[in-house]
Amino acid sequence: IAGITQAPTSQILAAGRRMTLRCTQDMRHNAMYWYRQDLGLGLRLIHYSNTAGTTGKGEVPDGYSVSRANTDDFPLTLASAVPSQTSVYFCASSDSGESYGYTFGSGTRLTVV
Amino acid sequence: GQNIDQPTEMTATEGAIVQINCTYQTSGFNGLFWYQQHAGEAPTFLSYNVLDGLEEKGRFSSFLSRSKGYSYLLLKELQMKDSASYLCAVKDSNYQLIWGAGTKLIIKP
Repeated sequence: IAGITQAPTSQILAAGRRMTLRCTQDMRHNAMYWYRQDLGLGLRLIHYSNTAGTTGKGEVPDGYSVSRANTDDFPLTLASAVPSQTSVYFCASSDSGESYGYTFGSGTRLTVV
Repeated sequence: GQNIDQPTEMTATEGAIVQINCTYQTSGFNGLFWYQQHAGEAPTFLSYNVLDGLEEKGRFSSFLSRSKGYSYLLLKELQMKDSASYLCAVKDSNYQLIWGAGTKLIIKP
């Protein structure tokens, strides 16, 4: 089934630990995105990639890093987790074209304690 | 700054009609999107408007007025499964999506 796979589904992480959230798409979309969603704040863009080999910073990039070695994979790394990074993380992708909406993964619920 | 406003929560009755409003102030405009998000799930694409007017898709319609920075999502013949959050998003001059905080719609029997 075509779409986006995120892993893990949920995770409890000790503060100070390093964590990589995985995201893989099989739709050959050029652009990929990482969002965090917190109650009352809506979706906030962390990092994005318009095409393989390029990445950019979004609205809330501090404490996070990404890489885009190929079209399909777009991992998000928390180098040293802090409690304020407790959130639901969504990976999304889109193809070129104005009217094409984003396709979202099912999300990763991360709790930093 | 960029801002998208929509009501936090709305309540409607099964079988009725509800209109969810969205106003925006963004640096540039390259289209407006509506997404549906059920609790604990990912957002899913509902509609896209780039020109003024009404776009109809089954029970759902979306309207855009670019001069007023305004859009609404109209849901007809409401069903219990329509209970969800509805997210308004605008693609700005950099072609990045700016998201509203979402409107939680509660459907009562």
